[in-house]
Amino acid sequence: RKEVEQDPGPFNVPEGATVAFNCTYSNSASQSFFWYRQDCRKEPKLLMSVYSSGNEDGRFTAQLNRASQYISLLIRDSKLSDSATYLCAVPKDSNYQLIWGAGTKLIIKP
Amino acid sequence: SAVISQKPSRDICQRGTSLTIQCQVDSQVTMMFWYRQQPGQSLTLIATANQGSEATYESGFVIDKFPISRPNLTFSTLTVSNMSPEDSSIYLCSVGSGNTEAFFGQGTRLTVV
Repeated sequence: RKEVEQDPGPFNVPEGATVAFNCTYSNSASQSFFWYRQDCRKEPKLLMSVYSSGNEDGRFTAQLNRASQYISLLIRDSKLSDSATYLCAVPKDSNYQLIWGAGTKLIIKP
Repeated sequence: SAVISQKPSRDICQRGTSLTIQCQVDSQVTMMFWYRQQPGQSLTLIATANQGSEATYESGFVIDKFPISRPNLTFSTLTVSNMSPEDSSIYLCSVGSGNTEAFFGQGTRLTVV
């Protein structure tokens, strides 16, 4: 099992719809989790951090399920500008290094 | 937060040559990370650069191929040596620990011909 795995993409979603994708992790001791957004030909940028059960920021909600060892990212009322690749990252044991998922590509269509 | 200036942003290089990528951070940081990202793939850690000591390389990456310098707490370089077309990729430097936000340079898009 990979240390961090994400739903394979791409997700093709109509504008205004709600979309959710998951990220599973293998280290049960992980305490923090991150969702990054990466636009085409750009560097990743932090979207949300999750330190407890979840986090919400506007249209974006991240949920943590410790029992099943996954975090999810929910996007409501999707916009064309939400089209990007979403990367999940989990600290390695030492807490100074991040392990990255392969990313989920999201395409919002008008 | 941290702002990282990475250069060059892109380059096309002949096989057998070497390219050095530079990253300058606007604040002092203990660790800097060098990643490779193949098209459509996620980030693969090459090595962790520590100031005052040898870089720590991940499995599959060696110092002879990817020598790293870390002369001070705000600067690091990664050299891709004796390049082949398989080295064509995006190379990214990053700062930040696993418990805080990671910041990235703008990336270097390398094409080896």
